[in-house]
Amino acid sequence: AQKVTQAQTEISVVEKEDVTLDCVYETRDTTYYLFWYKQPPSGELVFLIRRNSFDEQNEISGRYSWNFQKSTSSFNFTITASQVVDSAVYFCALSDTQYNFNKFYFGSGTKLNVKP
Amino acid sequence: GAVVSQHPSRVICKSGTSVKIECRSLDFQATTMFWYRQFPKQSLMLMATSNEGSKATYEQGVEKDKFLINHASLTLSTLTVTSAHPEDSSFYICSATTLLGTSGRADTQYFGPGTRLTVL
Repeated sequence: AQKVTQAQTEISVVEKEDVTLDCVYETRDTTYYLFWYKQPPSGELVFLIRRNSFDEQNEISGRYSWNFQKSTSSFNFTITASQVVDSAVYFCALSDTQYNFNKFYFGSGTKLNVKP
Repeated sequence: GAVVSQHPSRVICKSGTSVKIECRSLDFQATTMFWYRQFPKQSLMLMATSNEGSKATYEQGVEKDKFLINHASLTLSTLTVTSAHPEDSSFYICSATTLLGTSGRADTQYFGPGTRLTVL
């Protein structure tokens, strides 16, 4: 069965600190996609990244970086030098071949509070 | 690119009335649209999946007669909450996706800004 676990319910950091958001997933498929979305207080989910299961190369985009480890079924997200604008709820999600990648399995989300 | 809009952003209605929420993909054709519901401080719960021109597929426990979904075109899907009651108050979010080439695989889901429904 598919499952995405975000064990950290809420994290608080002070601006400029680095912070890592954890995501652990379960799927029986060898082909799947992993995603991270940001949901600021306004409510709109903002797409951050999609990674397919065959690409374990870590990715960096500005202050954001992602660490994909198939061996531990994890897809962690790190924000470097956090800013107040990073305060939001972050969701990790999985889609796989069941339903032809049309169904997303979301984690419960991690609320990040960045204090000035 | 990949912008999805929802209208209205907020709606307050009386118990017993019906409310229609529109979801539009503005700059792409969406083969599939999804409707989610989100309660405060919780994750997204998928309600239904709709493909243009066909009936929506509802998740277990979601009343199809209560939540009517119409996907009339490749850029528009509507969710109608019929005979709304206070327990239907929630944040409703739609998303849209396209297919990756001719693979039949869904691409990334792009989300609308959400509609906050309050039923008095």
